[in-house]
Amino acid sequence: GQNIDQPTEMTATEGAIVQINCTYQTSGFNGLFWYQQHAGEAPTFLSYNVLDGLEEKGRFSSFLSRSKGYSYLLLKELQMKDSASYLCAVRGGPSSGYALNFGKGTSLLVTP
Amino acid sequence: NAGVTQTPKFRILKIGQSMTLQCTQDMNHNYMYWYRQDPGMGLKLIYYSVGAGITDKGEVPNGYNVSRSTTEDFPLRLELAAPSQTSVYFCASSYPLDRYNEQFFGPGTRLTVL
Repeated sequence: GQNIDQPTEMTATEGAIVQINCTYQTSGFNGLFWYQQHAGEAPTFLSYNVLDGLEEKGRFSSFLSRSKGYSYLLLKELQMKDSASYLCAVRGGPSSGYALNFGKGTSLLVTP
Repeated sequence: NAGVTQTPKFRILKIGQSMTLQCTQDMNHNYMYWYRQDPGMGLKLIYYSVGAGITDKGEVPNGYNVSRSTTEDFPLRLELAAPSQTSVYFCASSYPLDRYNEQFFGPGTRLTVL
């Protein structure tokens, strides 16, 4: 089975930096994804890590440590539009059709 | 490309009614998925398909059925709706040889069973 944990809620100030953590325990690992989901909308892809280290993509970075079962999403220069839910997901292998196993999501509120 | 499209966007069902949630993708993806999302509970996998004619159960398949007669379409069938099936349903697709193999999600169907 798989267990994926992330904080339920976080609040940060516009222009600041925020780090959203995700820990996982899985029977198989084939990559870790971060998705952003605005209220009432579909999840949209943010980042992907399959090897240890940091992946940077504009204002967003994601880090992975496979030995620790740990990832984080780093959002820099926060904007009001970054208020959304951030979903951590571990991808299974071919026996599960590479399906994603999601955490419950972290609701981020960006305040002025 | 329209990406992944889902119909209807909203639906209210009475207990015991049946319905089909439609999902179509125009990206020639061979992998397709159905998830449900309950408030505060994350997305749970209902069924998935790795290609036309091939489907398999996910984590929460009870009360649902799927078919995959074409690459583009992956409908989800509810035969006897129950209040526990009130949820938001997302269809997704992916292509395993893409760089990230990320899943692309449709806009969702919001279903209420009363």
